[in-house]
Amino acid sequence: GAVVSQHPSRVICKSGTSVKIECRSLDFQATTMFWYRQFPKQSLMLMATSNEGSKATYEQGVEKDKFLINHASLTLSTLTVTSAHPEDSSFYICSASSRGSILEAFFGQGTRLTVV
Amino acid sequence: AQKVTQAQTEISVVEKEDVTLDCVYETRDTTYYLFWYKQPPSGELVFLIRRNSFDEQNEISGRYSWNFQKSTSSFNFTITASQVVDSAVYFCALSEAGYSTLTFGKGTMLLVSP
Repeated sequence: GAVVSQHPSRVICKSGTSVKIECRSLDFQATTMFWYRQFPKQSLMLMATSNEGSKATYEQGVEKDKFLINHASLTLSTLTVTSAHPEDSSFYICSASSRGSILEAFFGQGTRLTVV
Repeated sequence: AQKVTQAQTEISVVEKEDVTLDCVYETRDTTYYLFWYKQPPSGELVFLIRRNSFDEQNEISGRYSWNFQKSTSSFNFTITASQVVDSAVYFCALSEAGYSTLTFGKGTMLLVSP
C-alpha cells in the first residue's frame, strides 16, 4: 500500500513554544490530508481536513489559530501547534488521500507530543 | 449523525482462544463504508478491512473474519486462535458515502497472554 510518513514520531517541547508536525505522502500525490488527535486510551477525533492549495476545514471546537495546518504541496501537509500547553499533549496522526476519498486514505505513524 | 459503538473497552484472552470484537453503528445513509483498524502499542493505524453497505458477505482472511449484519447494524470482528502479536487496540470506523470523514468507535483493547 501507499506510504505516508509522519515526522517526528515523538516530540517534547516547553510550554509556550510551537511545534511543527509533518505529514508526507511518499509515493502518491495527496490532494487531501486529514489530521486526527487521540487522547490516551481514547478514540481518534478528526481535527481538520485540508485540500492542497486551499485553507483547511476545521471541525467544530478545534481552534484554527492554535492548530495551524498548511497543505502547500501535493506531498506535504504540516500541523503546527502554536503556543503549546500541557493540555495539548496528545497523539496526532495524519492520513492522506489521493482522490479526496476516505476510502483511499492511508495513515501516518503518528506523533506523540508532550508539552512540559 | 453517524455513530460507532464498541461496547467492549478491554478484552483479555489466553493465546489460542478465539475472540470476537463487537461493533455497532448508526447512520441514516443507505450507502456507507465500515472499517476495522489495528493500533499496536507503537501507535500507527493498520488497515484491516473495508466493507461497503451493499456487500453483506462475510469475509475471512487467515485467522481474521468479519460478520456484517445490516439487520442489527453490526460489523463484528473475530480473531481465531489468537496470538500474543494480536495484542493491540482495535478500532471500528464508519464513513458515510465514502467521501466524508471517518467516525471511529472508542476502540477495544485486546490483551493476549501466553
